[in-house]
Amino acid sequence: EAGVTQSPRYAVLQEGQAVSFWCDPISGHDTLYWYQQPRDQGPQLLVYFRDEAVIDNSQLPSDRFSAVRPKGTNSTLKIQSAKQGDTATYLCASSSDWGNYAEQFFGPGTRLTVL
Amino acid sequence: GDSVTQTEGLVTVTEGLPVKLNCTYQTTYLTIAFFWYVQYLNEAPQVLLKSSTDNKRTEHQGFHATLHKSSSSFHLQKSSAQLSDSALYYCALNTGYQNFYFGKGTSLTVIP
Repeated sequence: EAGVTQSPRYAVLQEGQAVSFWCDPISGHDTLYWYQQPRDQGPQLLVYFRDEAVIDNSQLPSDRFSAVRPKGTNSTLKIQSAKQGDTATYLCASSSDWGNYAEQFFGPGTRLTVL
Repeated sequence: GDSVTQTEGLVTVTEGLPVKLNCTYQTTYLTIAFFWYVQYLNEAPQVLLKSSTDNKRTEHQGFHATLHKSSSSFHLQKSSAQLSDSALYYCALNTGYQNFYFGKGTSLTVIP
């Protein structure tokens, strides 16, 4: 069974540029998460979906970040105008068994550097 | 609100000696699940241990942890640390309906 895949693996931007990250969860997993992991810190939840619906995006900086999962499978996270403070690894994770305390499976992440 | 606290951001232990990484939590939910994730350098976090049963020991790859709801803790232990155990360790709380809270992580370094 294929794991969670993400692309690109690395991105380097100037401040003000836009970037999109793509995630393909494990087949059949209904829940998909996006985390931001600054260097030497734990994953910090940005947004998560059940199928195509946003369950919680309260930690997503809505003025510059957006996330969609239109068909309840793949997902895209976009930063409209990147800032140096956005430098981090962006992790996607998926899980199944909604309501059943299932574990999350993480993708390899996209390492973003904003100069 | 719900939260997870990991103490000791950096832990260094000599190979062969025991290691304990602390994790406590705060939640109003009675039914929860707890996880320890391990993240090796330049890799994604992966599950090491999982538990949802109070006072039941869970073991995997030589590590063990017991969820103690009375003290709101889920400490990770190993009796004999190995060089290959050097990594970042995160504890995570699942309060249901896939609502996860991660601790800030503990960096474990095992030295010869």
